[in-house]
Amino acid sequence: VQLVESGGGVVQPGRSLRLSCAASGFIFRSYGMHWVRQAPGKGLEWVAVIWYDGSKKYYGDSVKGRFTISRDNSKNTLYLQMNSLRAEDTAVYYCARDPKLGSSGYVFDYWGQGTLVIASS
Amino acid sequence: DIQMTQSPSSLSASVGDRVTITCQASQDIRHYLNWYQQKPGKAPKFLIYDASNLETGVPSRFSGSGSGTNFTFTISNLQPEDIATYYCQQFDGLPLTFGPGTKVDIK
Repeated sequence: VQLVESGGGVVQPGRSLRLSCAASGFIFRSYGMHWVRQAPGKGLEWVAVIWYDGSKKYYGDSVKGRFTISRDNSKNTLYLQMNSLRAEDTAVYYCARDPKLGSSGYVFDYWGQGTLVIASS
Repeated sequence: DIQMTQSPSSLSASVGDRVTITCQASQDIRHYLNWYQQKPGKAPKFLIYDASNLETGVPSRFSGSGSGTNFTFTISNLQPEDIATYYCQQFDGLPLTFGPGTKVDIK
């Protein structure tokens, strides 16, 4: 299992950024996927989840209405479109696989190495 | 939202010691709790699911227990490679929430 995030960088507050997570080593279309972030020196914060087929998406309160999670199962890739970025969105963003998803719970069994997003002028 | 707390926030112990971390939920989450280990500069690693079940490949010195609102994570024989921050995470409801973490180092 390998998850490789990309797309991070420095962006001005109010601007947009799209993160990608390339998956390999497993059947991507069979798993739910999450984004989890970690501000510098802080703890973990769940951002969003998407069902294996993209049919359901849920978001954390702090990003609802600004961020959009999506996936392309033909490309084995997960995305996070981040709009109206704020200074408080500065964090390492991890994608994580979920083998359970939904009725049997949620768990992050494999994580990528993360990509750093800095929202600053 | 379900709030998670952990104690202590940090601890220092000797190699071979038994280390215990507690995690408390703001409401009954049954056994819907996972534990993760995060070493400095690395992504978190999944250790325990459903409060007490060890993920495949995780050393048996790690264990978890509890249900409802009170949970415990134990390292029975602390090793130098266990230096890390440990997080609990509830999945009883969305949004998923983590505890603030417990930093473990070697005395």
